[in-house]
Amino acid sequence: GQNIDQPTEMTATEGAIVQINCTYQTSGFNGLFWYQQHAGEAPTFLSYNVLDGLEEKGRFSSFLSRSKGYSYLLLKELQMKDSASYLCAPVDSNYQLIWGAGTKLIIKP
Amino acid sequence: DAMVIQNPRYQVTQFGKPVTLSCSQTLNHNVMYWYQQKSSQAPKLLFHYYDKDFNNEADTPDNFQSRRPNTSFCFLDIRSPGLGDAAMYLCATSTRSGSGKPDTQYFGPGTRLTVL
Repeated sequence: GQNIDQPTEMTATEGAIVQINCTYQTSGFNGLFWYQQHAGEAPTFLSYNVLDGLEEKGRFSSFLSRSKGYSYLLLKELQMKDSASYLCAPVDSNYQLIWGAGTKLIIKP
Repeated sequence: DAMVIQNPRYQVTQFGKPVTLSCSQTLNHNVMYWYQQKSSQAPKLLFHYYDKDFNNEADTPDNFQSRRPNTSFCFLDIRSPGLGDAAMYLCATSTRSGSGKPDTQYFGPGTRLTVL
C-alpha cells in the first residue's frame, strides 16, 4: 500500500531552525511536493524534488533521498507567520499526489 | 491576478438537502480537482477533470457528483449531505504538459461546509 509518515506536531522558537521529516512508501515514484497550509486556508506550493539532494529556496530548503524513501523540509530563521501545517506529498507511478496528514508547526516567541 | 476562486467560502446546509459548491479559475489550466479535507487530515481526492475527461476516485461516494461546463468552471454537487460530509472542500487546478513531470496544483481558498 501507499503510506506517508510525518510527525503530527512540532514546536520551535522564533529565529531558530526546524527540520520536518517525511518518510513514504508509494507505488512508483515521480518526485515529492511540499505544501504549506495555514489554519483554515488552502495549501500553497513550497517545493518539488525529483532528484536526490538539497534544493534551497530562500529560508526554505527541501531534501530528498529516493533510496531511503525520505524527505525533509528545513525552515531557517523562523518567523511567527511560519506557524502552519506542512504537507508532504510524494507522486506515484500514475502521477497522483499522495497526501500526508501534515505536520503542524507551532512557533513560539 | 490569475487565481482559483471558490464560492461560497462558508456554506451551511441541512441534513439531506442538496448543495452545490463552485470553483472558477483564470489560470486557463486544463485539469481541475476536488478534494475533501477534514480537520488535521490529509486532503482526500474526490475526482478530477482533465479537460472534459472525468476521473472519479474509486472510493468517492455516489453522493458526490461533479460538472465542468467549460474550462473555467467546475462544480461539486452533494446530493444528500450527511453529518459526515462536513469538511473543507478544496478546488485545485494544474496544467498537464505531457512532459512526464507531475503537475503543480494550485488551490482555491476552500469552502467550509457545515451540515446541520
